[in-house]
Parts: sequence; C-alpha cells; structure tokens
Amino acid sequence: GENVEQHPSTLSVQEGDSAVIKCTYSDSASNYFPWYKQELGKRPQLIIDIRSNVGEKKDQRIAVTLNKTAKHFSLHITETQPEDSAVYFCAASRAGGGADGLTFGKGTHLIIQP
Amino acid sequence: EAQVTQNPRYLITVTGKKLTVTCSQNMNHEYMSWYRQDPGLGLRQIYYSMNVEVTDKGDVPEGYKVSRKEKRNFPLILESPSPNQTSLYFCASARDKAYEQYFGPGTRLTVT
Repeated sequence: GENVEQHPSTLSVQEGDSAVIKCTYSDSASNYFPWYKQELGKRPQLIIDIRSNVGEKKDQRIAVTLNKTAKHFSLHITETQPEDSAVYFCAASRAGGGADGLTFGKGTHLIIQP
Repeated sequence: EAQVTQNPRYLITVTGKKLTVTCSQNMNHEYMSWYRQDPGLGLRQIYYSMNVEVTDKGDVPEGYKVSRKEKRNFPLILESPSPNQTSLYFCASARDKAYEQYFGPGTRLTVT
C-alpha cells in the first residue's frame, strides 16, 4: 500500500516569515494530494489539494507544489500569521479504482512565533 | 447544513464491553471512512467504504468492525475493546477517496 512520509514533525517560524512542509509518497499510481489543517481540539479541514496533472496550485498565501518524478509534494505558506498555528497533514490517494483509501502523513506542528 | 455527525463524542468504557460509535452524513456521499488519531502517529485509516455494502480494510483494522447498510450511516463497532484502542476517532465522508473529506467532530474513547 501507499506510504506517506512528512517532514518536519515540528516547525517554528517567526510571524511574517514563510513555512514549508514536505511530503514524499511511495505509490507512483497516486494522483490526488490534499493538505489538511487541524487546529487544537478541532477536526481536520481541507486547505488545498492538487492532482497529478498539475505541478503547482495557489490559493492566496498557500501554495502546493508536486514533483511526480521524485514523488514528493510540498506545502508553502507565505506571510505567516498567528492563526496559521496548527497541525498540518499531507495525504495521498488514487482516484477511481484500487484497493487503497487515503493515506496520511504523521503531521507537522506549525508554531508561529510573535 | 452539510455535515458529518458522530455519537457519542466522549466515551469511557471497560475492557471487553462491546460498543458502537455511530457516524452519519447528509451529503449523499458514496465514500465514508474511519480514522484513529494518536499522538505522533497522525491519522491512520481503520476501514473505509466506497458504497453501500462495500467495505475495505485500512491500515489498522484489527479489533474493529464496520457495516454500510445505508448510504448515510457507517457505524464503527468494537466487539471487545482493549486499552490499546484508547484514541480519538474521526469519521469522514467524501464524493470519492480522491475528493475533499469532510470530517466529523471526533469521538474520544477511553478503555480502562
């Protein structure tokens, strides 16, 4: 099955700086890569996703890049703000058929220092 | 309002006492899934269902059962809970596994 590795496990940045979280996946057939944000005591919520026919996607201060050859994808957050403090999870899946569901990385605790 | 609901939200039980955590969605989603979340281990999939009467094991299915008799409901059953099943459980639903997953509020289970 799919295996997703996520780094770093903890990331501390100064408010206003950028943050980058990286993930690698093992199944070359995976073609859907979402990122979820989980605030303390809350449920995970989708913040951005990318499909394998696209190399980069942006939504305001958030961007995701995908390198299919190297089987890795990254989350970029620019101009970080206190409300960006949370745990972020990457995931990978195959659309359509296939026995696997959605596989998550272990998460990155992002801390925004004032 | 589109939502995924879980019940109960908190549960403390004893080893071996059968329990069921319910999950229901009102978005007509085909795909539903159960995850457990443990510190340092992230979200691990227990079981998922692609449609009514179609269920598959995830990464950590041992000790759990599920059923999907109706599209909207996907209960998680622990026939004989053990302390290592103490965890935070999330149910989720989506159009498909390759679309946005909508998570329920979570069920915090403690098995003593």
